[in-house]
Amino acid sequence: DGGITQSPKYLFRKEGQNVTLSCEQNLNHDAMYWYRQDPGQGLRLIYYSQIVNDFQKGDIAEGYSVSREKKESFPLTVTSAQKNPTAFYLCASRPGNTGELFFGEGSRLTVL
Amino acid sequence: GENVEQHPSTLSVQEGDSAVIKCTYSDSASNYFPWYKQELGKGPQLIIDIRSNVGEKKDQRIAVTLNKTAKHFSLHITETQPEDSAVYFCAASIRDNDMRFGAGTRLTVKP
Repeated sequence: DGGITQSPKYLFRKEGQNVTLSCEQNLNHDAMYWYRQDPGQGLRLIYYSQIVNDFQKGDIAEGYSVSREKKESFPLTVTSAQKNPTAFYLCASRPGNTGELFFGEGSRLTVL
Repeated sequence: GENVEQHPSTLSVQEGDSAVIKCTYSDSASNYFPWYKQELGKGPQLIIDIRSNVGEKKDQRIAVTLNKTAKHFSLHITETQPEDSAVYFCAASIRDNDMRFGAGTRLTVKP
């Protein structure tokens, strides 16, 4: 089935460690996105990529990094510079620049 | 930039009743307004969307209305069922990467 796969679903990290969240899509979508979701808040955009080998910062990019070496993959690294990394992270994609976003099932990161 | 406010934050209704969730936006240039449903532990899924050239759109038990003058749009769910229980998010955008989400409404439908 076509869709977006995020892994791991749950992740625990010690302070000071970098961690990478995986996002893979087989929908042949050009654009991919990373959002952060905190309780009582809407989704906030971290990074997005409209095409392979290109990506742009969103509203809350500080402390995060991404790469887009393949159309299907858009991994997110949460670095030790991110002050409050505990959150639910959502990856999304869409075929072009407008319209419906298709979301993965999310990765919950907890920093101990 | 765009700012989206969503009310109420929680909503509890009896099965069979209607539910209404309201959102306001700040940028009059916004032209795309989707609604997403998020079930526990899952990613959001689009349930309905509307563009600024349309005032109302309906899909079975759900409908969205848009008032461009007042800069608000609403989600209406009729004949609610327990499986409608979820968190609902509204969003507004001008361009693709400017999509702004509301804070969400947790809807509980009591059997």
